[in-house]
Amino acid sequence: AQKVTQAQTEISVVEKEDVTLDCVYETRDTTYYLFWYKQPPSGELVFLIRRNSFDEQNEISGRYSWNFQKSTSSFNFTITASQVVDSAVYFCALSDAYGFNDYKLSFGAGTTVTVRA
Amino acid sequence: EPEVTQTPSHQVTQMGQEVILRCVPISNHLYFYWYRQILGQKVEFLVSFYNNEISEKSEIFDDQFSVERPDGSNFTLKIRSTKLEDSAMYFCASRGATQTQYFGPGTRLLVL
Repeated sequence: AQKVTQAQTEISVVEKEDVTLDCVYETRDTTYYLFWYKQPPSGELVFLIRRNSFDEQNEISGRYSWNFQKSTSSFNFTITASQVVDSAVYFCALSDAYGFNDYKLSFGAGTTVTVRA
Repeated sequence: EPEVTQTPSHQVTQMGQEVILRCVPISNHLYFYWYRQILGQKVEFLVSFYNNEISEKSEIFDDQFSVERPDGSNFTLKIRSTKLEDSAMYFCASRGATQTQYFGPGTRLLVL
């Protein structure tokens, strides 16, 4: 069964600090996809990144970076020089096709990030 | 940029009433999903839909729920007889050939 664990419930930082969000996953499939979504206070779910299981290259996009380590089943997300607009709930999610489950997303519990000015 | 839209944004209903939540997926997408998020909790999968039929559903998606693609653009979720515990944010999502699901803004359903 798929499982995604985000051990950090809440993180509070002061603006310009870096913040790292942890995500650990479990899957029986050899091909799977990992995602991060952002949920701002307005409530929508905004796609941030997708990483394929066969591509362990880390990625940087502006102030966001992601560290995928298959050996530890982790897909961590770092916000560098945080800003107040980064305040949101961040969800890590996993999809695979094991048992033909049609790539549904299994979400972690989310980490609430509060950036104080 | 194409996006998923959902209507209504908010819906208040009495217990036992039927509600229909509407979604317009991204136009060239073929896979459609409904998820729900009870306040303060994680996002949970309800159902996936492809080629005009349900491809997978969760334990939550019981006989009170149904989905339909009545025309070439809309994708609906019907709850036949709402319960208090159906109060949640309902998200529609769609994807094309890639594995990335794009979500609509959600419908906040409150059952009184």
